Amino acid sequence: AQTVTQSQPEMSVQEAETVTLSCTYDTSESDYYLFWYKQPPSRQMILVIRQEAYKQQNATENRFSVNFQKAAKSFSLKISDSQLGDAAMYFCAYRRRSGNTPLVFGKGTRLSVIA
Amino acid sequence: EAQVTQNPRYLITVTGKKLTVTCSQNMNHEYMSWYRQDPGLGLRQIYYSMNVEVTDKGDVPEGYKVSRKEKRNFPLILESPSPNQTSLYFCASSLSRTLNTEAFFGQGTRLTVV
Repeated sequence: AQTVTQSQPEMSVQEAETVTLSCTYDTSESDYYLFWYKQPPSRQMILVIRQEAYKQQNATENRFSVNFQKAAKSFSLKISDSQLGDAAMYFCAYRRRSGNTPLVFGKGTRLSVIA
Repeated sequence: EAQVTQNPRYLITVTGKKLTVTCSQNMNHEYMSWYRQDPGLGLRQIYYSMNVEVTDKGDVPEGYKVSRKEKRNFPLILESPSPNQTSLYFCASSLSRTLNTEAFFGQGTRLTVV
């Protein structure tokens, strides 16, 4: 079974600084998707960024980028120029491309942004 | 506006009293699922549905039922709720399991069973 591990339950960052959230996963598949979701205090789950395993280029969305290391099964999220609105729970998630598979989530990392 | 709508957003109930949490999506998505979120455990899938009349168990299905009579609706039913089902519940949908794997989430339902 696939598993997703987020080893940092909590992180903090100064406003305008950069922070990296870690995620590792375990799978025997070669074709899959990886995601980072943000959950602010409103509880809404918001997709931050998505990476397709067959693409070597790291995904980027404005201030958010990933470092995807397929061989190491690592998928970290970098937030640059952190803003107060970035404070939230962040979940890493995995989905196999084929088959009837759900999103498998990590346990989350709570990010605090210090003004 | 494309969205997934859950109701209610908050619910307090007593042990054993049947309840239904509704979920509706307006994107003509095939794939829908229910998750529960608990502190320190992340989100765990309860049930999912590949299409109308096709449902299957996720990782934590005990104590829950679902139905998918229409494509847009996927209600979660707790026939006899117990306190260990106190949790935050999310409904999610996506176009299909392969074409578009982005999941759109509802706003969550905070359920308390006393």
